[in-house]
Amino acid sequence: ETGVTQSPTHLIKTRGQQVTLRCSSQSGHNTVSWYQQALGQGPQFIFQYYREEENGRGNFPPRFSGLQFPNYSSELNVNALELDDSALYLCASNRDAETQYFGPGTRLLVL
Amino acid sequence: QKEVEQNSGPLSVPEGAIASLNCTYSDRGSQSFFWYRQYSGKSPELIMFIYSNGDKEDGRFTAQLNKASQYVSLLIRDSQPSDSATYLCAVKRNAGNMLTFGGGTRLMVKP
Repeated sequence: ETGVTQSPTHLIKTRGQQVTLRCSSQSGHNTVSWYQQALGQGPQFIFQYYREEENGRGNFPPRFSGLQFPNYSSELNVNALELDDSALYLCASNRDAETQYFGPGTRLLVL
Repeated sequence: QKEVEQNSGPLSVPEGAIASLNCTYSDRGSQSFFWYRQYSGKSPELIMFIYSNGDKEDGRFTAQLNKASQYVSLLIRDSQPSDSATYLCAVKRNAGNMLTFGGGTRLMVKP
């Protein structure tokens, strides 16, 4: 068990809609990162939050945004969904300075 | 050139054999190197990480790092059918916590 949970497990949306994905990690895991994994590819870094502040961002447009809350939960919001946003979205938290452990992921399908 | 490159496979080995998975990276600023295993439909799970040149062993797994050649490998001894999965190589710079992943190598262990 990684101590990281995500909801929902699956989601279907239509193009142009907005979606919010949620992640919860254990107490003390101050850093949370979000990744997008398209089918057949490795995960791509979206952004990271440390103590509720964005702490790094990958090559994703501003319609991808996030929040981290004091209770170690986090959200990924995606506006104006596009077909290419269909992917597995992974949340990872740090137990220590180096290692990231992933939650089970949310599979998003955009029609 | 991709930042982290892996042969997509599939790599097929018989049960009991040694599986050798390879990864090259382009960023000489990379300091930490990780191997994750991902079963179909699941999220990546951390197998092991390595920071220093040389070998690091953990059970049936051995990670090898050669920073001069920008090369990381994972050896799996006594391969089992349950090892059949996609293996993801990831690297991290010293600053920040962003993981850069390769596309993964699919391993098939045949009974």
